[in-house]
Amino acid sequence: QVTLRESGPALVKPTQTLTLTCTFSGFSLSTSGMCVSWIRQPPGKALEWLALIDWDDDKYYSTSLKTRLTISKDTSKNQVVLTMTNMDPVDTATYYCARIHCSGGYYMDVWGKGTTVTVSS
Amino acid sequence: SYELTQPPSVSVSPGQTARITCSGDALPKQYAYWYQQKPGQAPVLVIYKDSERPSGIPERFSGSSSGTTVTLTISGVQAEDEADYYCQSADSSGTHVVFGGGTKLTVL
Repeated sequence: QVTLRESGPALVKPTQTLTLTCTFSGFSLSTSGMCVSWIRQPPGKALEWLALIDWDDDKYYSTSLKTRLTISKDTSKNQVVLTMTNMDPVDTATYYCARIHCSGGYYMDVWGKGTTVTVSS
Repeated sequence: SYELTQPPSVSVSPGQTARITCSGDALPKQYAYWYQQKPGQAPVLVIYKDSERPSGIPERFSGSSSGTTVTLTISGVQAEDEADYYCQSADSSGTHVVFGGGTKLTVL
């Protein structure tokens, strides 16, 4: 059974750096064609893709947020970490990680439950 | 940056057919995927690679593609299908994932 779980602070202050961890089980990020992605959703708004990392350690970022994001993986711990710098209240959202099949297209077949992050002083 | 366009809302009566469209210039080159999201829940994949249905997804969900538009069709809509639906694809370079703005399906 494939599961993913997001963890991180529920509250961050403006200008701080957010660090989120996705801990997964049931698959290996060393397997060709496997990726993990981060997606966020502000309250009442649409899904927004943030970043993905693939089995070969290639990384891809949202064009609009590229300068603020860093994604990394620890295959031995089955974890993917996302950092976002210079947080602002508009970054308040539920942040999801998802397993993504990234060979011949990208689709997210299993999602975590999400973690809510509020940016406020 | 690349965008996928969906109608904000679609309304149908129970038992009717709902069609939700998604338009994007790169759709002839890139597969489209559809997710269902109910309030307070994570999205669920309902269609992948334009028209494939994951195991466990009811047969009333289907997908199709024509040029720059893909369509999610829900036949015999049930009350439980009321949700937000998002299309997702990639840009023409295949290196950036994109979501549509979402469509709220209301079952009257």
